[in-house]
Amino acid sequence: NAGVTQTPKFRILKIGQSMTLQCTQDMNHNYMYWYRQDPGMGLKLIYYSVGAGITDKGEVPNGYNVSRSTTEDFPLRLELAAPSQTSVYFCASTIVGNQPQHFGDGTRLSIL
Amino acid sequence: GQQVMQIPQYQHVQEGEDFTTYCNSSTTLSNIQWYKQRPGGHPVFLIQLVKSGEVKKQKRLTFQFGEAKKNSSLHITATQTTDVGTYFCAGVQAGTALIFGKGTTLSVSS
Repeated sequence: NAGVTQTPKFRILKIGQSMTLQCTQDMNHNYMYWYRQDPGMGLKLIYYSVGAGITDKGEVPNGYNVSRSTTEDFPLRLELAAPSQTSVYFCASTIVGNQPQHFGDGTRLSIL
Repeated sequence: GQQVMQIPQYQHVQEGEDFTTYCNSSTTLSNIQWYKQRPGGHPVFLIQLVKSGEVKKQKRLTFQFGEAKKNSSLHITATQTTDVGTYFCAGVQAGTALIFGKGTTLSVSS
């Protein structure tokens, strides 16, 4: 049982480049989330999804886009990378919104 | 909007000392969850509290949910070096997404 899988684990981008952070879960969870965690800080919600085809903004959505075409996958897209987006990105999932979340290992992203 | 405040932000203890972190919400919560994140790792779910005044224990860890369901605490008895990490509380208000506190980072020296 893989749980929540994130790829890549590390990435360095140049300012202005684009990339997609991948997240997939094999637990048939309806709810999926993207968080960012800056050094020494807590988790900030970027986007979330309550099911395939449904997404909504979190606390810090600017500069990001998401899609949810299947239950398993919830990719996060950065269109024009900026240094302020240097962070660790976590994907999480849960069966129902008020239940415990399962986190992936994270993607460590540096933008130079 | 709803906020979940957590104190202290950092705590350093000697191995064997006790540790407590507190979580406070501006609104009544339907439940509260606690997570632990080891250095360089990802948050891992520890426990969920649902009932007013609920107390749960996991070995040396004791979790409490306040009577008004607006606050919670995590107490670790006789800390060990394996307890190092950041402890997050996360509250759920009816109809909203989980709101994470900023966490308490615990360091333990032997």
